[in-house]
Amino acid sequence: GAGVSQSPRYKVAKRGQDVALRCDPISGHVSLFWYQQALGQGPEFLTYFQNEAQLDKSGLPSDRFFAERPEGSVSTLKIQRTQQEDSAVYLCASSGPAGVVGYTFGSGTRLTVV
Amino acid sequence: AQSVTQLDSQVPVFEEAPVELRCNYSSSVSVYLFWYVQYPNQGLQLLLKYLSGSTLVESINGFEAEFNKSQTSFHLRKPSVHISDTAEYFCAVIVSNDYKLSFGAGTTVTVRA
Repeated sequence: GAGVSQSPRYKVAKRGQDVALRCDPISGHVSLFWYQQALGQGPEFLTYFQNEAQLDKSGLPSDRFFAERPEGSVSTLKIQRTQQEDSAVYLCASSGPAGVVGYTFGSGTRLTVV
Repeated sequence: AQSVTQLDSQVPVFEEAPVELRCNYSSSVSVYLFWYVQYPNQGLQLLLKYLSGSTLVESINGFEAEFNKSQTSFHLRKPSVHISDTAEYFCAVIVSNDYKLSFGAGTTVTVRA
């Protein structure tokens, strides 16, 4: 596609519920990133994929967070047993041959845990 | 991890007035520097970036930023703002051999008529 597409745009989850957030990167982009943006803060790195390989998951805040990109294209960020502190905007970005200097961000998924 | 400081959290400004958003980073190594803009309910859009070469970089909509290595700063300026410039602005840094963007906390610019 022309841009990075994320769905759903908004998600309200009850505390304890599992959620799955989808990212559809720009076609052909090898690198894919997830960031978490808490209210009033700048985005913070969660994880990085190169094709289907998850090369860095150092930013995932707990073992309730899990990301995958099984075919090297679409990625899913899963959060198990959601807590109120998980409320944030989750941003996905992809980059192609230009590498990290060519990041394109999606519009994000706003997760609210109630 | 890189530390990025945006010194102003809120900047109110009148239309057609100049604006400066300050950004400082902590790094003793080579870095790439970025300014992103986030309009309400939208994702991050790249405004401009410094990779190498001329320390003054410009965007297509009149913003400019200057890389100052000695002061580890990358301040963003616009000589005359429009109502449509109302948005949140984020400064970000990547160390040149890394891939993670480190962001500042953001500066909200509100332009009033």
